[in-house]
Amino acid sequence: DVKVTQSSRYLVKRTGEKVFLECVQDMDHENMFWYRQDPGLGLRLIYFSYDVKMKEKGDIPEGYSVSREKKERFSLILESASTNQTSMYLCASSLWGPSEAFFGQGTRLTVV
Amino acid sequence: TQLLEQSPQFLSIQEGENLTVYCNSSSVFSSLQWYRQEPGEGPVLLVTVVTGGEVKKLKRLTFQFGDARKDSSLHITAAQPGDTGLYLCAGGAYSGGGADGLTFGKGTHLIIQP
Repeated sequence: DVKVTQSSRYLVKRTGEKVFLECVQDMDHENMFWYRQDPGLGLRLIYFSYDVKMKEKGDIPEGYSVSREKKERFSLILESASTNQTSMYLCASSLWGPSEAFFGQGTRLTVV
Repeated sequence: TQLLEQSPQFLSIQEGENLTVYCNSSSVFSSLQWYRQEPGEGPVLLVTVVTGGEVKKLKRLTFQFGDARKDSSLHITAAQPGDTGLYLCAGGAYSGGGADGLTFGKGTHLIIQP
């Protein structure tokens, strides 16, 4: 089974902190994605990567950056956390662009 | 920008009833996927449909892809409380580049009352 693992289920951070969310997949997938999910807004794509060291902005990249140094690992960085970044963050991987996505269990981030 | 509209947004019915949820777009997709998400968890893939007019069945769930590959439906027969969850549709459109991804609808929140 494909497994996508996010480093934390729940995080509470203070405004202004730098926050790292880690994601690891074990199926040698080319593509990895970071989404945030908010009530009424659905899943919104923050960043994605289709190869090591490659990254593309999604629909809402402001306030975020990403790192993909190894194929299996995709990190989301909140440079200076703000309360409007309180959300459910979901990492996903896929074999290629529009193929089936496999999601991690999600990280519920609260910024206070 | 490709958009997927899901309806209804919320649906609460009694156990044993039938229901249909819809996923519509003005864009053509090469594939259409349905996911189910439980509270506090990530979405889990239920099915992928790729051919216009395709119908797939997964126990009491029937998925259909529209002939023009712009819309899809999910029909649940004799709904059970275990069907409760958020149902998401996602469209894939491959343009040949390396940066294609999925477009997600906002989801249908389904509650099945015992």
